[in-house]
Amino acid sequence: LAKTTQPISMDSYEGQEVNITCSHNNIATNDYITWYQQFPSQGPRFIIQGYKTKVTNEVASLFIPADRKSSTLSLPRVSLSDTAVYYCLVGEPFPNTGNQFYFGTGTSLTVIP
Amino acid sequence: DVKVTQSSRYLVKRTGEKVFLECVQDMDHENMFWYRQDPGLGLRLIYFSYDVKMKEKGDIPEGYSVSREKKERFSLILESASTNQTSMYLCASSLYFIAGPFRETQYFGPGTRLLVL
Repeated sequence: LAKTTQPISMDSYEGQEVNITCSHNNIATNDYITWYQQFPSQGPRFIIQGYKTKVTNEVASLFIPADRKSSTLSLPRVSLSDTAVYYCLVGEPFPNTGNQFYFGTGTSLTVIP
Repeated sequence: DVKVTQSSRYLVKRTGEKVFLECVQDMDHENMFWYRQDPGLGLRLIYFSYDVKMKEKGDIPEGYSVSREKKERFSLILESASTNQTSMYLCASSLYFIAGPFRETQYFGPGTRLLVL
């Protein structure tokens, strides 16, 4: 089962690049890796998704090594508004296949002025 | 924009009460999910539904049931609330399950914070 492990918390100064790593040693062949961001008093929202190598969008980059046992979310030049909890999700709950689906416990990122 | 709404932001109930949490989405999504979120445990899937009247258990279904009579509405039911069900409950929806590249984004509601006394 693809359980995930993330650091509990991280601090960063404004303007720095932040890298948050998620470990998922038992990831299955068909599993995708998705990252979500959650602000206080809100539900999580999608940031980025990938299967292998590197994916980049206007918000972040996602690096996935060849063995896919980990993934790293990279936030370029963070600002105070990036202070949030970041969740790594591996797999998806397909019907009739059992639950092969794990959200990490989340990494609380605090951006310092 | 996809909108997922939950019937209450805060709810206080007594032990033994039957509790209904309602979730509505306005984008004609096939899939709907219920999670609970607890400090240090992240998000844990309770139940999900991939079609009207269809449901499947997630990680922690014990003590909960669900109902999906209409496509846009997914209800979580606590048959007899207990103090260990005090938590933040999050509803989400996504378009459909696909076997090919990419997975559909889940869209979350704002959450219902439930306190069981």
